Amino acid sequence: AQKVTQAQTEISVVEKEDVTLDCVYETRDTTYYLFWYKQPPSGELVFLIRRNSFDEQNEISGRYSWNFQKSTSSFNFTITASQVVDSAVYFCALSEDGGSQGNLIFGKGTKLSVKP
Amino acid sequence: GAGVSQSPRYKVAKRGQDVALRCDPISGHVSLFWYQQALGQGPEFLTYFQNEAQLDKSGLPSDRFFAERPEGSVSTLKIQRTQQEDSAVYLCASSLVWPSGNQPQHFGDGTRLSIL
Repeated sequence: AQKVTQAQTEISVVEKEDVTLDCVYETRDTTYYLFWYKQPPSGELVFLIRRNSFDEQNEISGRYSWNFQKSTSSFNFTITASQVVDSAVYFCALSEDGGSQGNLIFGKGTKLSVKP
Repeated sequence: GAGVSQSPRYKVAKRGQDVALRCDPISGHVSLFWYQQALGQGPEFLTYFQNEAQLDKSGLPSDRFFAERPEGSVSTLKIQRTQQEDSAVYLCASSLVWPSGNQPQHFGDGTRLSIL
């Protein structure tokens, strides 16, 4: 069965600290896609990144970086030099291939609070 | 508009009333999804449309929930005889193509439904 686990419910850091949000997934498919979304207090889910199961290259975008490891079924997200504006709930999500329409399976989210 | 638009933003209804939630996806997006997000949880899939065809409604919690997208653009999620457990944020998302497993879904701000 497909499942996404975000074990960290809440994380609190002080501005400029680095923080890593963990994501572990379960799937039987060999082709799948992993996503991270940010949900600020306004409620809208903002797309951050997509990764397919065949691309294990890590990615960096500004202060954000993602570490995808198939061997441990993990897709972790690191924010470097965190800022107050990074405060939000972050969701990791899985979408399977195999002809499905691609509905997302979300983890329960990690609430990140960045204090000045 | 450029993004997914949902209305109303907030809806309060008495138990037993019917409600209708509207989603206006990004123009030209083929795929449309509805998700339900309970407080403190990740979004959970309700139903999926490819153009006007409802291809998957496996996530609808009961037969009180009904969704349509008659012309392949705007979609309405209707809940009949609402109950308190229906209180949640209802999120609509769209993506450009089908199958959309590898496409990022673009979310609206959601409708926060409160059943008294």
